[in-house]
Amino acid sequence: DAGVIQSPRHEVTEMGQEVTLRCKPISGHDYLFWYRQTMMRGLELLIYFNNNVPIDDSGMPEDRFSAKMPNASFSTLKIQPSEPRDSAVYFCASSLLTGNYGYTFGSGTRLTVV
Amino acid sequence: KNQVEQSPQSLIILEGKNCTLQCNYTVSPFSNLRWYKQDTGRGPVSLTIMTFSENTKSNGRYTATLDADTKQSSLHITASQLSDSASYICVVSERTGAGSYQLTFGKGTKLSVIP
Repeated sequence: DAGVIQSPRHEVTEMGQEVTLRCKPISGHDYLFWYRQTMMRGLELLIYFNNNVPIDDSGMPEDRFSAKMPNASFSTLKIQPSEPRDSAVYFCASSLLTGNYGYTFGSGTRLTVV
Repeated sequence: KNQVEQSPQSLIILEGKNCTLQCNYTVSPFSNLRWYKQDTGRGPVSLTIMTFSENTKSNGRYTATLDADTKQSSLHITASQLSDSASYICVVSERTGAGSYQLTFGKGTKLSVIP
């Protein structure tokens, strides 16, 4: 198993541009989570899906952020328009069943907005 | 508000020495507590997961303890190696409903092991 796969690993973009981050969860995992990590705030949950359905998006900072999961093997996190304060490392994680087991993180996407 | 507090914020130790990292939490109702290791530029990787009834769990040179009464956990690293240099994150799971859980993350302890 290749684990949770995220792309790209690094993204540098100009303020105002659209950014799309991608995630492929572990096959068979029915929960998918998007996190943001900064030095100041640590890891913060943005949104999570169960069986491709968004369950809790209360962590999404503002309307500029959106996430989709069109099928069990793919999810995207989109920021439009991007701002410098969005610069962070974004992690995707997936897990089994209730979300309490087999929790695995991807390697993250480091986003820099200039 | 549920919180997970870790100490120290950072730590430098000599290779071969032991160290202990602390985690205090206020999360309730408690489901489990996890310790993750995060290498620079990588995602967190699970070291241990402990439920309410477990006091101690080991994973090689890593030993985690849990006192559910005082809501404290520690991660002890024995005979440290250079490869132990990483951030160690304490994560507490709260049961929020039937089959649903919420994780609360600590901000981590950054450990540097020097030769």
